[in-house]
Amino acid sequence: QSVLTQPPSVSGAPGQRVTISCTGTSSDIGAGNDVHWYQHRPGSAPKLLIYRNTNRPSGVPGRFSGSRSGTSASLAITGLRAEDEADYYCQSYDTSLRGRGVFGGGTKLTVL
Amino acid sequence: EVQLVQSGAEVKKPGEFLKISCEGSGYRFGSYWIGWVRQRPGKGLEWIGIIFPGDSETKYSPSFQGQATISADESTNTAYLQWNALKTSDTAIYYCGARLGYCDGSTCFDFWGQGTQVTVSS
Repeated sequence: QSVLTQPPSVSGAPGQRVTISCTGTSSDIGAGNDVHWYQHRPGSAPKLLIYRNTNRPSGVPGRFSGSRSGTSASLAITGLRAEDEADYYCQSYDTSLRGRGVFGGGTKLTVL
Repeated sequence: EVQLVQSGAEVKKPGEFLKISCEGSGYRFGSYWIGWVRQRPGKGLEWIGIIFPGDSETKYSPSFQGQATISADESTNTAYLQWNALKTSDTAIYYCGARLGYCDGSTCFDFWGQGTQVTVSS
């Protein structure tokens, strides 16, 4: 059902930089709608990581950054740490669905 | 302190009725959108729908329209997700989320409940 496309998995060694892509369409990201990112660890509630494309909530380390261009968005994580191992989801809004949100399929980040 | 506290785990049979809840505290409940998200076993997050408790305006994802009902009671600061006839495919963890500070006026959820496990099995 995922409308936004994410790679199923990415990995990196501690200290490295990884990026997670999120590809949408002209109805969601390409329509200029905001993209948000969440970190989700098993057994816990999702955590807002990036909102409105590039903004970090208070308490989220500067190692996390977001960007958006055209019909895609990306989450970058620098200085990888073991605690970053989790699932990451992008989320946007589908203009054609009149206010309904859409999630990406999720990306499992493994810290080697 | 903002909190969303969800009701406990449920085990039901196919065809049964179920209503799970999400109680908000620490903010003006009626003034902010609150939504529901599903995570089936081994799968990703799915956006179910949202409600504005102040006037009960509700929006559903097409995949969930007619499958479940979202409601809210401003007098008890509680949002609900209900099924009139559960299916085994409804087995999932259900999260509520609210659009407050960072997400007010946007489309994200910045506060989340702890999740409710719903198991539907004969």
